[in-house]
Amino acid sequence: AQKVTQAQTEISVVEKEDVTLDCVYETRDTTYYLFWYKQPPSGELVFLIRRNSFDEQNEISGRYSWNFQKSTSSFNFTITASQVVDSAVYFCALSELNTGTASKLTFGTGTRLQVTL
Amino acid sequence: GAGVSQSPRYKVAKRGQDVALRCDPISGHVSLFWYQQALGQGPEFLTYFQNEAQLDKSGLPSDRFFAERPEGSVSTLKIQRTQQEDSAVYLCASTPLAGGMGEQFFGPGTRLTVL
Repeated sequence: AQKVTQAQTEISVVEKEDVTLDCVYETRDTTYYLFWYKQPPSGELVFLIRRNSFDEQNEISGRYSWNFQKSTSSFNFTITASQVVDSAVYFCALSELNTGTASKLTFGTGTRLQVTL
Repeated sequence: GAGVSQSPRYKVAKRGQDVALRCDPISGHVSLFWYQQALGQGPEFLTYFQNEAQLDKSGLPSDRFFAERPEGSVSTLKIQRTQQEDSAVYLCASTPLAGGMGEQFFGPGTRLTVL
């Protein structure tokens, strides 16, 4: 069975600090997708990134960057120069590429990020 | 609007009441998912539709939970004889591809409180 672990329950940083959110996953499949979603206080899940298991290139998008390492089954997310608007709960998720069934998402328990002035 | 919409946004039910939660996916999206998010937890899969066919209901916690998507667009999640443990946010998501591949677009959720 697939599993996603986000060991950090809550992180608090001061604005402009860098912060890394950890994600470790378990799956028996060799083909899968990894995701990060942001859930602001409004409650709606906002898609941030999708990565397939064959692409271990790190990715940078503005202040966001992602480090995917299959060797350690980790998909960590770094926010550079954090801002108050980054305050939210962040979820890491895994989806296996099953044929004939849905590629449902398995989520971690989330990391609550609080950015203060 | 172009996004996934859900109604009602908030629902308070007395224990034992039946409730119906509605999801309007993005027009043309083939795949539709329902997830349940308990307080302080990540969303958990409930059920999946491909068009009008319910292909996976392995996440439904009991036979009190029932979902339908009769015309392959709008979906309704019904909970009969609600219990306090049903209190959660119910999220709907859709994707344009069969099998739910790719990014899932989520609605704002319905927060259900069972008293």
